[in-house]
Amino acid sequence: EAGVAQSPRYKIIEKRQSVAFWCNPISGHATLYWYQQILGQGPKLLIQFQNNGVVDDSQLPKDRFSAERLKGVDSTLKIQPAKLEDSAVYLCASSRDFTPNEQFFGPGTRLTVL
Amino acid sequence: AQRVTQPEKLLSVFKGAPVELKCNYSYSGSPELFWYVQYSRQRLQLLLRHISRESIKGFTADLNKGETSFHLKKPFAQEEDSAMYYCALSGGAQKLVFGQGTRLTINP
Repeated sequence: EAGVAQSPRYKIIEKRQSVAFWCNPISGHATLYWYQQILGQGPKLLIQFQNNGVVDDSQLPKDRFSAERLKGVDSTLKIQPAKLEDSAVYLCASSRDFTPNEQFFGPGTRLTVL
Repeated sequence: AQRVTQPEKLLSVFKGAPVELKCNYSYSGSPELFWYVQYSRQRLQLLLRHISRESIKGFTADLNKGETSFHLKKPFAQEEDSAMYYCALSGGAQKLVFGQGTRLTINP
């Protein structure tokens, strides 16, 4: 089966600019996750979708971050405006069911904010 | 609160030597524990989960609730085991909480 797809792979922006990341999960996977991984740290969950509904967004900085999953398939994560501390790798993952027993990760988008 | 601690950022062993990557967790309920691995230039992927009680690529991990640990072990390290290893916990919230990771280097 095709894996989780993400684009772009790399993005460099200046602070206060906006940026958007796209994720296409594995076909048939109901659950989609967005993680932020800062250099030297493990992935941190930003938001979890179940089909097109939000299950958990407790760690999403909602003043600047937003995410949507239209029609329960693709998802977009947006940052507006970006700050220096948003520099990180943004990982998208999907899983077949409601439990995180096995999550399949995309290659990630490396964001650098200057 | 759910927390995962991997006390070693870096671990270096020689080929053929035993390997143990430490993982301690904090969770008041009954957790599910996982080890994820990221090889160079590859995606993060599941290595094993405690409920399966299986050995993958020679690695095993036993959940010790008394010590709140889930250490990853392999009796004889191979060069292809060099990678970044993350311990992760899933509690009642059904989300994964990751440790900071341990970079394992196997020297020839």
